[in-house]
Amino acid sequence: QVQLVQSGAEVKKPGASVKVSCKASGYTFTSYYMHWVRQAPGQGLEWMGIINPSGGSTSYAQKFQGRVTMTRDTSTSTVYMELSSLRSEDTAVYYCALDGMDVWGQGTTVTVSS
Amino acid sequence: SYELTQPSSVSVSPGQTARITCSGDVLAKKYARWFQQKPGQAPVLVIYKDSERPSGIPERFSGSSSGTTVTLTISGAQVEDEADYYCYSAADNNEGVFGGGTKLTVL
Repeated sequence: QVQLVQSGAEVKKPGASVKVSCKASGYTFTSYYMHWVRQAPGQGLEWMGIINPSGGSTSYAQKFQGRVTMTRDTSTSTVYMELSSLRSEDTAVYYCALDGMDVWGQGTTVTVSS
Repeated sequence: SYELTQPSSVSVSPGQTARITCSGDVLAKKYARWFQQKPGQAPVLVIYKDSERPSGIPERFSGSSSGTTVTLTISGAQVEDEADYYCYSAADNNEGVFGGGTKLTVL
């Protein structure tokens, strides 16, 4: 079955970077785009961006332009989301979601604290 | 960028019909999706392409669209439908956006 498995929780200091992975299985990896979505504690869902695993092209939300980088490794069917210059407001659960958003990863908690 | 606007909360009694709206200019041209999210869980897609229901989603969930507004309707809402609901859409450049979310209370 289609499955997305994300990397484990992270604790980072302000100013650092974090790289979250999302390993896909159960389908042809390069056939479907992948979204990244985050949710701060007690807040709503926030769309961060999307990557085409086939060619690697990306589209990012304006809010994260210059701070987010989404990449993929076709040899391991894994997509990555790296967020730099972290601040406390980036504390959130980060999700990857398949193209139609009918399959989601389990979420990765990123905590930014000094 | 663009916005999608939802009411912050909707409340119904069990068995009643719950309607949650989502408004935004992009909805006149682009499809919407609806997600249900319960505490501590990842979102679940309940409606796509404005009114299509994924397999496994109960028939009481339906969606409709009119102009710049889409509506999620839960006919005969049940206690287990109590959750946060989010609409989503994307522009031509693939830039997506979620509505602010609606807390549905069924009691």
